[in-house]
Amino acid sequence: KAGVTQTPRYLIKTRGQQVTLSCSPISGHRSVSWYQQTPGQGLQFLFEYFSETQRNKGNFPGRFSGRQFSNSRSEMNVSTLELGDSALYLCASSSGGPTAGYTFGSGTRLTVV
Amino acid sequence: AQKVTQAQTEISVVEKEDVTLDCVYETRDTTYYLFWYKQPPSGELVFLIRRNSFDEQNEISGRYSWNFQKSTSSFNFTITASQVVDSAVYFCALTYNYGQNFVFGPGTRLSVLP
Repeated sequence: KAGVTQTPRYLIKTRGQQVTLSCSPISGHRSVSWYQQTPGQGLQFLFEYFSETQRNKGNFPGRFSGRQFSNSRSEMNVSTLELGDSALYLCASSSGGPTAGYTFGSGTRLTVV
Repeated sequence: AQKVTQAQTEISVVEKEDVTLDCVYETRDTTYYLFWYKQPPSGELVFLIRRNSFDEQNEISGRYSWNFQKSTSSFNFTITASQVVDSAVYFCALTYNYGQNFVFGPGTRLSVLP
């Protein structure tokens, strides 16, 4: 079966712009979560959606937002980009619950210049 | 607060050597779940193992084995007879709720040299 698909794979944006990243989970998975990976801070949890509802949120500013559609696909948006937002953004999907398996996508590498 | 520590930043071994990756965690929750993930250069996190806090049985799966000890809050991972393809960054992670709120360790970069 198809894995978790993240688009685009690479993105270059200018400071002050906004960006939208997309994540298509494994078919049947209703939970999608997002993580930011940087060399300095490592892997940090952004937020998690389950059946179109945000169920949990990490400690990130309001510039970071997300949503989930009825088909479980998810998008995250970052507004007013800063240089520090340059990172690998990873999406994970799950059928739900900590005992379920989690599958990660290959990520979107965002570079802010 | 939850925290995961991986004291080894980088490890280099020669192919066929055994290697153990250390993981120490902190949590006040009585129910929690521990994971190991592998991140190859392609970027995706590959699931390796999950253990819950009530299951201290250690296991061997092929060349991989795990040592979970609640008494020392450790969840170590061993690769036996390492191979070049094992070269990657390995992350230990902890979660306790249904929100997939993983707390990841900083990762250990493993290089297996031919």
